[in-house]
Amino acid sequence: AQSVAQPEDQVNVAEGNPLTVKCTYSVSGNPYLFWYVQYPNRGLQFLLKYITGDNLVKGSYGFEAEFNKSQTSFHLKKPSALVSDSALYFCAVYTGGFKTIFGAGTRLFVKA
Amino acid sequence: EADIYQTPRYLVIGTGKKITLECSQTMGHDKMYWYQQDPGMELHLIHYSYGVNSTEKGDLSSESTVSRIRTEHFPLTLESARPSHTSQYLCASSEPTSGEIKTQYFGPGTRLLVL
Repeated sequence: AQSVAQPEDQVNVAEGNPLTVKCTYSVSGNPYLFWYVQYPNRGLQFLLKYITGDNLVKGSYGFEAEFNKSQTSFHLKKPSALVSDSALYFCAVYTGGFKTIFGAGTRLFVKA
Repeated sequence: EADIYQTPRYLVIGTGKKITLECSQTMGHDKMYWYQQDPGMELHLIHYSYGVNSTEKGDLSSESTVSRIRTEHFPLTLESARPSHTSQYLCASSEPTSGEIKTQYFGPGTRLLVL
């Protein structure tokens, strides 16, 4: 079955430290992977996507994600976290047609 | 500025009432979606549309209905609201998929509480 897993409900990190939000996937065929961020009382905002090519994808607000085919992972990273990065982060995989499967979300807390 | 709008942002209503959640986008996108999201949880697709006069049900069974009479407008209607409909409803749109996989753009959501 095609699926997306975000193994951590919550990630806590100190401001200025690097952050990683984990995502693993299971799809048949080529994976088309996305990261979205959701701030309180807002809809989801697109951060970045991997379709093909370079395994390191750079996105908005200094975020990047590394695609690892052998580990079926697409972890979101940022070298230096900001308090304003605190939000809910969703990993998603497009599986064809209208179907995009979203993970359950990981809440990121960045402490000053 | 191109954007996607949802109204109302918050709605508290009694059981049995008919409600319509509005969604409009100014980006000229053909594809539109409705997702249901419980707080802090994953999104579930409940309806989608390829374009005008084209609507389909998504993965999650929903008692709601949708219409797509104009490209920019994709309202969702609940004929008789129930407490089990309490949730957040997110509308999204994307460009037609030909070649490159297109990103979805989301509205701010409508948080619905049915008493």
